[in-house]
Formats: sequence, C-alpha cells, structure tokens
Amino acid sequence: AQSVTQPDIHITVSEGASLELRCNYSYGATPYLFWYVQSPGQGLQLLLKYFSGDTLVQGIKGFEAEFKRSQSSFNLRKPSVHWSDAAEYFCAVGAGAAGNKLTFGGGTRVLVKP
Amino acid sequence: DADVTQTPRNRITKTGKRIMLECSQTKGHDRMYWYRQDPGLGLRLIYYSFDVKDINKGEISDGYSVSRQAQAKFSLSLESAIPNQTALYFCATSDSAGVTYEQFFGPGTRLTVL
Repeated sequence: AQSVTQPDIHITVSEGASLELRCNYSYGATPYLFWYVQSPGQGLQLLLKYFSGDTLVQGIKGFEAEFKRSQSSFNLRKPSVHWSDAAEYFCAVGAGAAGNKLTFGGGTRVLVKP
Repeated sequence: DADVTQTPRNRITKTGKRIMLECSQTKGHDRMYWYRQDPGLGLRLIYYSFDVKDINKGEISDGYSVSRQAQAKFSLSLESAIPNQTALYFCATSDSAGVTYEQFFGPGTRLTVL
C-alpha cells in the first residue's frame, strides 16, 4: 500500500523568504503526485501535480515541486512567500485507476511572520 | 456558486445519534469521495463511488455508510455516532474522462460528537 510522509508538522517563515516543504512517498509503481493547500476554513485546492515527463512541475500561486525518483520525494518550493501563503499543505500520492485513490500525508502548517 | 457543496457545515450531535452528511456537485463528475481529516493524520478515505451503482470502501469505512442517490449527490451516514468520529469531513469529486486526475473538494463539514 502507498504511504506519504511529511516530516515537518509546522514551519514558520518570514514574509519574502523562500519556503520548502518536504514530502516522501512509498509506492510500488510510477506515482501520481499532488500538492494541495488548505486555507483556514476552506476546502483543499490543488497547487500542482506530477504524472510523468519533466520532473520540475510548476503550479499556481508561484509554487513549484520537483520529483526525485531516487529519493522518493516530491518537495514543494516557493522562492518568496507572501502572508497569504499561510495555510496547511498536503502532499498526496494517487493509486488505482488513473490515480484516483489519494493517500495524503499528515500535512505541514505554514506560518508567515511579517 | 460553489461547484461542490456540503451540508451542514457544522454539526454537534450526541453519542448514539444517527446523522447524515450530504454532498452535492454541479461539476458533472462521475466520481465522488468522502474523506475525514484529523490533526496530524491528513485526510483519510472513507468511501468512494465511481458511478451511481459502484460504491467502494476506503481505508476507514467502519462505522460509516454511504448512498449515491444520483450522479450529483453522495451522502455519508453515521448510524450511531461515537466521539472518535469527531472530525472534519470532506467530499470530493473527479472526472474519469478528464486527464488531470484532479479531485475537487467541498468546503467541509465539522462534526462534533459529544
């Protein structure tokens, strides 16, 4: 069975600084990988996804992620965070038909200092 | 207007009560999902339905049941609620004919079982 680990429960970053969120997965086949963001009181919104091809994936809101098969990782990055990036971020791996069954990591809560 | 709606948004109930959470979508998607979110555990899949006549258990289905009344409606029931079912519940949809494999989430229902 697939699994996802997000080692950092909380991260605090200053506004304007760079951000990197870690994600490690376990899955026996080629993974479908996703990053979702959950703003306070909101549902989840897809930031970006990886299925195949270029291992550096660009998403919305200035985020990008890099798939590294050798490290079983799919880390999320943003060069310069904004106060509105304060949220909880979830990494997920998709299995089953077309990756429709998602397994989520525990999430990383990002706090942004002024 | 929201594409995936959930009712109620908040619910407080007592142990042993039957409760139903409802999900409706206007996206025209054939696949629907129910997840629960607990702090530190991310989202876990309760049930999923690939069409009206296809309903499947997820990883934590015990104590829950579902009904797919129509393509656009997917309800989650707790027959006899217990306190450890206190959580944030999300409905999601996806399109089997789509190429993005993205799941679209509702705003969530916060359920408290006393």
